Amino acid sequence: AQSVTQPDIHITVSEGASLELRCNYSYGATPYLFWYVQSPGQGLQLLLKYFSGDTLVQGIKGFEAEFKRSQSSFNLRKPSVHWSDAAEYFCAVGGLTDSWGKLQFGAGTQVVVTP
Amino acid sequence: KAGVTQTPRYLIKTRGQQVTLSCSPISGHRSVSWYQQTPGQGLQFLFEYFSETQRNKGNFPGRFSGRQFSNSRSEMNVSTLELGDSALYLCASSSRLVRTPSTDTQYFGPGTRLTVL
Repeated sequence: AQSVTQPDIHITVSEGASLELRCNYSYGATPYLFWYVQSPGQGLQLLLKYFSGDTLVQGIKGFEAEFKRSQSSFNLRKPSVHWSDAAEYFCAVGGLTDSWGKLQFGAGTQVVVTP
Repeated sequence: KAGVTQTPRYLIKTRGQQVTLSCSPISGHRSVSWYQQTPGQGLQFLFEYFSETQRNKGNFPGRFSGRQFSNSRSEMNVSTLELGDSALYLCASSSRLVRTPSTDTQYFGPGTRLTVL
């Protein structure tokens, strides 16, 4: 079945430490891949996206993600987190055949940043 | 450019009532998608409208409906509200002039928080 998996429901990280959020997908072809962030009570903000080409993608707020076709993964990273990075992060896939305008989301990873 | 706007931001309704939510896309965007977000089910796709036509639909009952106007603004309606309809309803827009990765990128509004009592 087609799916998007974020294995970590909750991650706690110290301010200044590095962060990596995992995302795996299961589709017949490589879909478009996205990472969104949601602060409490807010909508989703696009961090970055991957369509093709260079497998290392740079986004906003110092985030980057690496696409690995062999592992069907699209992991998000940040070298040094700030307290303002505390939020929920969603991996999403789109661009699927016959799925215009539809994104399929992972369950999300809640990130807590400690002093 | 102004972002996606949704009104109202908060709504409280009782079971059995109906509700209409509104979404104004980014200027120039022609596609509007709607999502429901709940703690139990996460983010689920409701439907997508493009050029005033529903092009895609998720697995929701017929109580959930929508429409799009000629200026690309969209509304969704939920009739006969149930307690389980309490959720954050998110709208997203994309330009979708021609289907390319860039025009397929969706930008989200702040959402409408619906509480059904």
